[in-house]
Amino acid sequence: NAGVTQTPKFQVLKTGQSMTLQCAQDMNHNSMYWYRQDPGMGLRLIYYSASEGTTDKGEVPNGYNVSRLNKREFSLRLESAAPSQTSVYFCASNGGPGANEQFFGPGTRLTVL
Amino acid sequence: DQQVKQNSPSLSVQEGRISILNCDYTNSMFDYFLWYKKYPAEGPTFLISISSIKDKNEDGRFTVFLNKSAKHLSLHIVPSQPGDSAVYFCAGAPFGNEKLTFGTGTRLTIIP
Repeated sequence: NAGVTQTPKFQVLKTGQSMTLQCAQDMNHNSMYWYRQDPGMGLRLIYYSASEGTTDKGEVPNGYNVSRLNKREFSLRLESAAPSQTSVYFCASNGGPGANEQFFGPGTRLTVL
Repeated sequence: DQQVKQNSPSLSVQEGRISILNCDYTNSMFDYFLWYKKYPAEGPTFLISISSIKDKNEDGRFTVFLNKSAKHLSLHIVPSQPGDSAVYFCAGAPFGNEKLTFGTGTRLTIIP
């Protein structure tokens, strides 16, 4: 039981490049989330998915797209990376309504030059 | 608009003493609060939670207190241990809404 896994762990991009961050969970959770963590800003929600096939914007969605591929997987795509997207990205999941506790992956540290 | 505020970016406490981490919130719809602990290069892990029907919840060395009228919660760690050195985030959510709003975090350092 691996919990929430994320790939890659580290990535360096040049401005304008694109990439996809992958996330998978093996806890049969309905809801999945993408956050970014920046110094002094805490964890801010980018997008979330309440169930397979549904996605919704969070607090800071601009510059990102997401895909809920199936119940297990939730990917985050940067179409044209910008230096402002340099951050640590966390994926999380939980059991859905009534289950407030979220389980987090280990994070992806992204640097955009 | 910061709905969850942790006004102390850092806190240092002697080993064996009590650590008190504070959190304030502005959204009166929040019914459920959680504390997460985060070590460097790892994801946050759930520590303890409290719902608005309680004013205290205890789990071993960790106790969370909720003062609804003041919109304030605190996490007490007694006794503090070196392994407690980490960043602590508080988060809130309306009841039945799994979208959490996080504070900015407090870095706790336990001094041996």
